[in-house]
Amino acid sequence: DAGITQSPRHKVTETGTPVTLRCHQTENHRYMYWYRQDPGHGLRLIHYSYGVKDTDKGEVSDGYSVSRSKTEDFLLTLESATSSQTSVYFCAISERERGNIQYFGAGTRLSVL
Amino acid sequence: GEDVEQSLFLSVREGDSSVINCTYTDSSSTYLYWYKQEPGAGLQLLTYIFSNMDMKQDQRLTVLLNKKDKHLSLRIADTQTGDSAIYFCAEIGGGSYIPTFGRGTSLIVHP
Repeated sequence: DAGITQSPRHKVTETGTPVTLRCHQTENHRYMYWYRQDPGHGLRLIHYSYGVKDTDKGEVSDGYSVSRSKTEDFLLTLESATSSQTSVYFCAISERERGNIQYFGAGTRLSVL
Repeated sequence: GEDVEQSLFLSVREGDSSVINCTYTDSSSTYLYWYKQEPGAGLQLLTYIFSNMDMKQDQRLTVLLNKKDKHLSLRIADTQTGDSAIYFCAEIGGGSYIPTFGRGTSLIVHP
């Protein structure tokens, strides 16, 4: 998975609890992304980062926040998890000089009960 | 915003050719991609094409781009059961680094 590690790989949590997902890369790529994948919706962009401390919202950012304090780490936080946030979450990285190809992590399966 | 459309399912017999189609709306597309997702895994790049090309071949894979009609296709020759997966079309427009993905086509290969 191109030097991308997502943790945890699986998580079950309760409604109302905060949850943090971690994406770690060893490729020194500038751009990092968080997506969620749901049946019938394909991939939807939650947040993305274009550098350390530089982040922006994607199409489904409500209820999520992100932080990037180091090039290699991009954290996604569900501030107060809801059942509608049950999904598979993917982190991706890319670099403009390499055709903007995205490299994906293996995903985190999150269940909110 | 820009849109990328794909059919949701394709079923083929092992050994036949598969053709997965994609249409997009962004007239400033610079790169177009095909990604493959196997069960329980993330997406992996299969191939990509620059918008100034109309064809790219890589072993069993052939990508055709009709820029006038904004139509991209992926042909897999001699399809194998191991090709069963979800295939995503994606494009990036001029000046952007964030791709627009289609919803994915599930390819089912029957023995």
